Amino acid sequence: DTEVTQTPKHLVMGMTNKKSLKCEQHMGHRAMYWYKQKAKKPPELMFVYSYEKLSINESVPSRFSPECPNSSLLNLHLHALQPEDSALYLCASSQVRMGLGKNIQYFGAGTRLSVL
Amino acid sequence: RKEVEQDPGPFNVPEGATVAFNCTYSNSASQSFFWYRQDCRKEPKLLMSVYSSGNEDGRFTAQLNRASQYISLLIRDSKLSDSATYLCVVRGGFQKLVFGTGTRLLVSP
Repeated sequence: DTEVTQTPKHLVMGMTNKKSLKCEQHMGHRAMYWYKQKAKKPPELMFVYSYEKLSINESVPSRFSPECPNSSLLNLHLHALQPEDSALYLCASSQVRMGLGKNIQYFGAGTRLSVL
Repeated sequence: RKEVEQDPGPFNVPEGATVAFNCTYSNSASQSFFWYRQDCRKEPKLLMSVYSSGNEDGRFTAQLNRASQYISLLIRDSKLSDSATYLCVVRGGFQKLVFGTGTRLLVSP
């Protein structure tokens, strides 16, 4: 089972709202990721968590706040977003171990976010 | 220069055709390489990892040329269901994947 589950599937929010995106996996993966994808562009890495600790922040604005409450869950808290933040937000997970075939990332279906 | 470069296409081919995509990467220290497939408005899904010796999975063959720093994907006997965007992906650092812009494939009846 290589399932990564993201909720909600769609989200519309105003620029003053606070909302959260959720991601869950039960594959025993200890690395989890947030990506942002605009139309006709490849995914762009935002954050990486390894063993529930933030290991990579790709200079993401503070209006995006990640949280990893346990090894299966990853949240992305959103506050005071801008219309240009509208995109598909993808969660992924992988094993932490390096080596051939060990670092494959499995993606959730994404949350399609519209900021009005 | 982009870290991972692909021809964006689209590649328009008839069913049954053989089609090949190439991808070049700039970091000679890269160790892991993948092809992902992404359907319109869906998430990327792993198609196959790419190994130094080359590897095949059914109608799909991936090759890696480290000296020239390019990766290829060959699709034989194209199906309508192969229509998608194919993303060349290189591991750019610990846990960090670098995606190419993707090559769009359209298979027509």
